[in-house]
Amino acid sequence: GDSVTQTEGPVTLSEGTSLTVNCSYETKQYPTLFWYVQYPGEGPQLLFKVPKANEKGSNRGFEATYNKEATSFHLQKASVQESDSAVYYCALSDWSNNRIFFGDGTQLVVKP
Amino acid sequence: GALVYQYPRRTICKSGTSMRMECQAVGFQATSVAWYRQSPQKTFELIALSTVNSAIKYEQNFTQEKFPISHPNLSFSSMTVLNAYLEDRGLYLCGATGDAETLYFGSGTRLTVL
Repeated sequence: GDSVTQTEGPVTLSEGTSLTVNCSYETKQYPTLFWYVQYPGEGPQLLFKVPKANEKGSNRGFEATYNKEATSFHLQKASVQESDSAVYYCALSDWSNNRIFFGDGTQLVVKP
Repeated sequence: GALVYQYPRRTICKSGTSMRMECQAVGFQATSVAWYRQSPQKTFELIALSTVNSAIKYEQNFTQEKFPISHPNLSFSSMTVLNAYLEDRGLYLCGATGDAETLYFGSGTRLTVL
């Protein structure tokens, strides 16, 4: 079945350092891949999505490349800010089974 | 842009009573609505997926008898938690899609059961 595995948190960084959150997926389909971000007290927000293999998505300085060969979709940011502190979810869509599969989330804590 | 409003944000109910939460899509047609429960560990459990003009599909461990869902049009959905008990506590999220690809989420309804 479909699954998403991502870096186990919490990940604690100092402001200005670089971030990588690993995401690996399993599916027999050709899914769209997503990164969502959830701030405290809010629902998940779409950070960006990538529908096609070998393409890159980006938003707010975050980026990830849909690597079909490696079945990966790692989230990266060159320089994190304290305001980036949140939980990040990698997800894939499998609407043939009428669902989106979420990873377990990675909490990011950025210290000033 | 696509927005989803969910209410109430928080609710408290006595054990054995029921509560209803609602979800409104603005700026797009919500052809499908997925209801999730988020655990304290932040993982998502899919409760059910509702698609207009199709039967509502419940995941294992969730039933219509416990979590009845209504999805009467392309902008609104509601879910009720019947006979709520301590194990039903959590953050309930509705996610709506109009393109059968991207889910847009509301802010969630946090259920506390006394």
